[in-house]
Amino acid sequence: DVKVTQSSRYLVKRTGEKVFLECVQDMDHENMFWYRQDPGLGLRLIYFSYDVKMKEKGDIPEGYSVSREKKERFSLILESASTNQTSMYLCASSLFQREGLILGNEQFFGPGTRLTVL
Amino acid sequence: KNQVEQSPQSLIILEGKNCTLQCNYTVSPFSNLRWYKQDTGRGPVSLTIMTFSENTKSNGRYTATLDADTKQSSLHITASQLSDSASYICVVSKYTGGFKTIFGAGTRLFVKA
Repeated sequence: DVKVTQSSRYLVKRTGEKVFLECVQDMDHENMFWYRQDPGLGLRLIYFSYDVKMKEKGDIPEGYSVSREKKERFSLILESASTNQTSMYLCASSLFQREGLILGNEQFFGPGTRLTVL
Repeated sequence: KNQVEQSPQSLIILEGKNCTLQCNYTVSPFSNLRWYKQDTGRGPVSLTIMTFSENTKSNGRYTATLDADTKQSSLHITASQLSDSASYICVVSKYTGGFKTIFGAGTRLFVKA
């Protein structure tokens, strides 16, 4: 079974703090993703990575950065947390999406981190 | 614009009853459509996947249908159980040199005893 773990289930931080969210997957997946999930908005992609040290901006990258130093680990960084970053953060991983492998992009999700910024 | 719209936003049904959740999309070019189930406090888990050539796919009491012409999908749950209480998310992927995945906002299902 694919296992994606996230470092914290619940996190409370103060405005202006630097926040690190860690994600680890154990299935040797090339792709890793960070999403935030807010009521009524669904999952929105923040950043993704298709290889070590590679990163691509998603739909809402502002206020976030990421780091992928090892294949199994993908970190999301809030340089200076703000109250509008209070949300559920979900990490996911998937195999590399090769053309023609149209069923190959299932994403496996971690349990999520509920971050509250006061 | 690539969008995935789900309805209803939330639904309450009695245990043992059937229900159908809807998903309409405008994603193009279409590659595949997945339904995910997300239990409270957990990440989403894939239930079914369909490509454009498939119009129905079952997974136990869950049956998904796809009409690629009208760009509509539905998820039918038969004989609901309390454990079906969850959010159900419709996810559509397109391929244009790389996969792009668009998530619906989800339907929150509550099953009452």
